[in-house]
Amino acid sequence: NAGVTQTPKFRILKIGQSMTLQCTQDMNHNYMYWYRQDPGMGLKLIYYSVGAGITDKGEVPNGYNVSRSTTEDFPLRLELAAPSQTSVYFCASSGMGSGQPQHFGDGTRLSIL
Amino acid sequence: KQEVTQIPAALSVPEGENLVLNCSFTDSAIYNLQWFRQDPGKGLTSLLLIQSSQREQTSGRLNASLDKSSGRSTLYIAASQPGDSATYLCAVTAGANNLFFGTGTRLTVIP
Repeated sequence: NAGVTQTPKFRILKIGQSMTLQCTQDMNHNYMYWYRQDPGMGLKLIYYSVGAGITDKGEVPNGYNVSRSTTEDFPLRLELAAPSQTSVYFCASSGMGSGQPQHFGDGTRLSIL
Repeated sequence: KQEVTQIPAALSVPEGENLVLNCSFTDSAIYNLQWFRQDPGKGLTSLLLIQSSQREQTSGRLNASLDKSSGRSTLYIAASQPGDSATYLCAVTAGANNLFFGTGTRLTVIP
């Protein structure tokens, strides 16, 4: 079972470049999330989606954009990469309802130089 | 705003010892609390999920408790093994099914 798949696993960007982090899930989950994890810190929510066509900001959305055109995919876009966006990015998904556990991908390690 | 704190930040124990990891949160209006394990360079693996109406959950050598009114949870690991070495993260679910994470406890079990 694939679960939540993130690509790429690693990426180095130059300041000002743009890129899209891909996330896809095969569990037919309505809810999907993007988090970032900085060294020694907990995960912080960037954006989330409760279904196709619906997205909303989390705790740290500045510098990022998302879209949700299908149930399976939830890409995260960085338009103008900045050194402060160097981090590990995790995508997660969960079923509907308040008691559902979140399932995580293996992460994308991104460095902005 | 929900704040989640984990103590201690790091812990080293000899193999076979029982241990307790602590988690506290500031807002008791949560749906559930999850304990995750994170290995270096890897994603998160859910260990236990406790619904807000529950007091504890058990899985093998792991037992997690929840006291929602006092904003506390503990993760008890019995008979620790070197393979238990990892970072353990606590997270509470609130709002639109959003998770708020602690900064984790890095556990090392010494053979």
